[in-house]
Amino acid sequence: AQSVTQLGSHVSVSEGALVLLRCNYSSSVPPYLFWYVQYPNQGLQLLLKYTSAATLVKGINGFEAEFKKSETSFHLTKPSAHMSDAAEYFCAVSDPRASSYKLIFGSGTRLLVRP
Amino acid sequence: KAGVTQTPRYLIKTRGQQVTLSCSPISGHRSVSWYQQTPGQGLQFLFEYFSETQRNKGNFPGRFSGRQFSNSRSEMNVSTLELGDSALYLCASSLAEGSGNTIYFGEGSWLTVV
Repeated sequence: AQSVTQLGSHVSVSEGALVLLRCNYSSSVPPYLFWYVQYPNQGLQLLLKYTSAATLVKGINGFEAEFKKSETSFHLTKPSAHMSDAAEYFCAVSDPRASSYKLIFGSGTRLLVRP
Repeated sequence: KAGVTQTPRYLIKTRGQQVTLSCSPISGHRSVSWYQQTPGQGLQFLFEYFSETQRNKGNFPGRFSGRQFSNSRSEMNVSTLELGDSALYLCASSLAEGSGNTIYFGEGSWLTVV
């Protein structure tokens, strides 16, 4: 069975500082991996996805993530945090062998950006 | 083009009642899935439909059901509501089947059961 672990339910950074949100997965096969962002009272917006092409994936709003098979990780980074980045971030995994696109989500990390 | 549209956005129901939530996918999208989001359990997969057929179902009791119509619009129904059913219900759509396809989420329907 697949699972996702997001370390840190809350991460606080200063505006302009590096953002690092951690995601580790468990899967019997290399999975597809996703990062979503959720702003208050809104749905989920896809930031980026890894589907077995380049291991360094660039997404929207300056975010990127690197798939590291040896570490079973897919951490999300952004060089310089902006106040508008304050939101909840979810890492998710799916099974590339499946015709279904069922996503298994981590528990989420709330990013706080201090002025 | 318009995104995934969910109605109603907010609703309050009483224990024991039933509720129907509606989802209109992005035009041209044929896959629709539903998720439940709660503070305690996080985001959990409910079910997925493609071309009116249920492709996958999550680990929820039979009180939770859904369907998809020929125009790809989908509804989910929860019968005999319990307090624990209070949640944000998110609908998502995708152009086709397959786990690598991008899925797009609606803003959700907030259900409160009192």
